[in-house]
Amino acid sequence: KAGVTQTPRYLIKTRGQQVTLSCSPISGHRSVSWYQQTPGQGLQFLFEYFSETQRNKGNFPGRFSGRQFSNSRSEMNVSTLELGDSALYLCASSLGQGSNSPGQFFGPGTRLTVL
Amino acid sequence: GNSVTQMEGPVTLSEEAFLTINCTYTATGYPSLFWYVQYPGEGLQLLLKATKADDKGSNKGFEATYRKETTSFHLEKGSVQVSDSAVYFCALSPHQAGTALIFGKGTTLSVSS
Repeated sequence: KAGVTQTPRYLIKTRGQQVTLSCSPISGHRSVSWYQQTPGQGLQFLFEYFSETQRNKGNFPGRFSGRQFSNSRSEMNVSTLELGDSALYLCASSLGQGSNSPGQFFGPGTRLTVL
Repeated sequence: GNSVTQMEGPVTLSEEAFLTINCTYTATGYPSLFWYVQYPGEGLQLLLKATKADDKGSNKGFEATYRKETTSFHLEKGSVQVSDSAVYFCALSPHQAGTALIFGKGTTLSVSS
């Protein structure tokens, strides 16, 4: 089975711009979660989508949004980029069945740099 | 709220030494607990998990036991190898709808031969 894929792998943007990141989950996985990884804050949960609905949301401003399509692929969007948004954005997929799930499988991430 | 606290790193060990990385958690209810590993230049990989009190997760020689009384999930390995050098993350998933993970800050392990 192919793993979780994320595109693009690297991105450079300037302040004020917006960006869209894409994630394709493992085939059969219905849950997609997004995380932000920075040296200072570590790994922080952004949001989770399951069957095209946002099921959980972390503590991030409204500039961060996402969606999930009927084929379980997901996108996240960050508007009005700030320097502090520079981070590795990780996508994870799972069957989405809670504690009995074998766990989340992570993609390689998208490295976003905001100048 | 939910949170995970890991011991600060880096942890530096010689090959074949015993490893312990401490992890404690705060959570409402009965969360599932995980250890993830991030090798240099690679993505996060699930190392092991435990879903209820007294469960022991194990993989690749690593073990961790879910201790509800001490709210802990310490990672141990009897004999580390150079190839175990990586960043280790403890995480919890609250027992509610969804699979969101709350991560600790991560502990860097460096093993020398």
